[in-house]
Amino acid sequence: DSGVTQTPKHLITATGQRVTLRCSPRSGDLSVYWYQQSLDQGLQFLIQYYNGEERAKGNILERFSAQQFPDLHSELNLSSLELGDSALYFCASSPFLGWSTDTQYFGPGTRLTVL
Amino acid sequence: DAKTTQPPSMDCAEGRAANLPCNHSTISGNEYVYWYRQIHSQGPQYIIHGLKNNETNEMASLIITEDRKSSTLILPHATLRDTAVYYCIVRINQGGKLIFGQGTELSVKP
Repeated sequence: DSGVTQTPKHLITATGQRVTLRCSPRSGDLSVYWYQQSLDQGLQFLIQYYNGEERAKGNILERFSAQQFPDLHSELNLSSLELGDSALYFCASSPFLGWSTDTQYFGPGTRLTVL
Repeated sequence: DAKTTQPPSMDCAEGRAANLPCNHSTISGNEYVYWYRQIHSQGPQYIIHGLKNNETNEMASLIITEDRKSSTLILPHATLRDTAVYYCIVRINQGGKLIFGQGTELSVKP
């Protein structure tokens, strides 16, 4: 158990819909990362937040957005869903930026199926 | 971040040591070598990381060559539960994204 929690575990929805994935980082971790894992693309970085502020963006679509709240939990919002958005979505957390050790610990993931 | 090269798959007998190689010939002086693994569709699990010295923890050992252009992850006594995809990642240890390649699919067989 990494200490990172993600909800829900599974999500099944229809094309065009909007969903929200939730992540609670490990206690004390200020940084949250979102990754997407699809069959054809592998594990891809989407976005990073640090202490409530966006720090880095990867291959995140404009239909996707995220935020980190004052209690440090994060939500990933996916809208106008398409079949190709079906994937595993992982959240990871790490303690600090610019620290001597910054190891990311991953949650169990949310499996999104778009029908 | 430097690129890494790993064999796509490896087999190992249960109880034997599993040695997983990784080439990172373009690594720069301030980049660390990280290893993660992913068992089935679970979240990637951190294993170990190092800069230039060999490292050991309760899960594995990491051997980095003197020129730092390659490394080997060693699972000393592989079990069936070690069957997973193992990712070698090189990055500056100041926060920031992990770039996952294809990894090595390790199959531990009885």
